[in-house]
Amino acid sequence: DAMVIQNPRYQVTQFGKPVTLSCSQTLNHNVMYWYQQKSSQAPKLLFHYYDKDFNNEADTPDNFQSRRPNTSFCFLDIRSPGLGDAAMYLCATSRDQGPQETQYFGPGTRLLVL
Amino acid sequence: GEDVEQSLFLSVREGDSSVINCTYTDSSSTYLYWYKQEPGAGLQLLTYIFSNMDMKQDQRLTVLLNKKDKHLSLRIADTQTGDSAIYFCAESICGVTGGGNKLTFGTGTQLKVEL
Repeated sequence: DAMVIQNPRYQVTQFGKPVTLSCSQTLNHNVMYWYQQKSSQAPKLLFHYYDKDFNNEADTPDNFQSRRPNTSFCFLDIRSPGLGDAAMYLCATSRDQGPQETQYFGPGTRLLVL
Repeated sequence: GEDVEQSLFLSVREGDSSVINCTYTDSSSTYLYWYKQEPGAGLQLLTYIFSNMDMKQDQRLTVLLNKKDKHLSLRIADTQTGDSAIYFCAESICGVTGGGNKLTFGTGTQLKVEL
């Protein structure tokens, strides 16, 4: 089945220790997104890639970076995680641009910062 | 500005209908979505409605859109215990820098289905 896969499902890191979260998709979609969802809050868009073009949200901290080496994979790098970065991180994809393009979400990676 | 609001909790009895409400503020929204999130899981797309529609029905789900009041609702008929989850409405914003499709989510409504 075509799908969006996130690994690992749970990630524990130490304060200040860089961590990378992974997302892959078998849908061959052009657009990939990363959302941050803190406890009991709505998901918040961090950034997205349209093909190789990176688009950062204005209020995304510099601590968060992303890489998309090919169509299938996208990574979220947190350079120096703080306690406030503990959250669920959701990856999503859409076939193309535009508001009519449905986003399909992965199961998420829950990050714990000790 | 972009602001999407939902009531936080809804409790219904199994077999009853559930109605989850959402209000949004951005008049340029063209698509409005409903997602379901079960505990510890990602978001599952339930349905969506285009802004030139008033209603959309999909099996047990009915979406109503009142553009004048910027009000969206999701009705679940014959609610089952498996429907217990958090339900997010989301609006799709036009004119995102660099393209893409920016979704602005509501705060989510926790639906609890009691026997």
